[in-house]
Amino acid sequence: KAGVTQTPRYLIKTRGQQVTLSCSPISGHRSVSWYQQTPGQGLQFLFEYFSETQRNKGNFPGRFSGRQFSNSRSEMNVSTLELGDSALYLCASSLEGPLHFGNGTRLTVT
Amino acid sequence: AQSVTQPDIHITVSEGASLELRCNYSYGATPYLFWYVQSPGQGLQLLLKYFSGDTLVQGIKGFEAEFKRSQSSFNLRKPSVHWSDAAEYFCALEGNTDKLIFGTGTRLQVFP
Repeated sequence: KAGVTQTPRYLIKTRGQQVTLSCSPISGHRSVSWYQQTPGQGLQFLFEYFSETQRNKGNFPGRFSGRQFSNSRSEMNVSTLELGDSALYLCASSLEGPLHFGNGTRLTVT
Repeated sequence: AQSVTQPDIHITVSEGASLELRCNYSYGATPYLFWYVQSPGQGLQLLLKYFSGDTLVQGIKGFEAEFKRSQSSFNLRKPSVHWSDAAEYFCALEGNTDKLIFGTGTRLQVFP
């Protein structure tokens, strides 16, 4: 069974731009969560989607948003990028159990 | 408040030596607890989980962890470390918010 797939693996953007990251969960998993990982703040929860509805949200500004499609694939969008948004963004899926993580998208904002 | 503390930022062991990584949690009830491992440039891989029942949990790659309610701990152990175990290890808690709260991680270095 294929794991969680995140695209792209690497992104370089300029301050003020926006970016969209994509996540394909493990087949059959309906819950998708997003985490931000930085050296300073560690792993922080962004949001969780289940059956196209946001079920949980972390403490991030409104510039961070997401959505989930009917096939459970999810996208995360960050608008008006700031230097501090540089991070590894991890997506994870689950089927009422532990989270299974993808390899992440490394976003660099210059 | 719910939190996870990993007191050791960096641990170095020799190959073949035993390993124990510490994890303490703060939560009002019995949480769900997890250990994940992250190799450079990779995502997180689940090593083991504790939901309830037997307090000694076996995981993949020869790892085990013991839940001790009295000490609010969930330490990860391995009797003999291999060079391929070098990575960063994260302890996590799932409380009543249904989201994972991670510790800051412990970086394991293995010397031949």
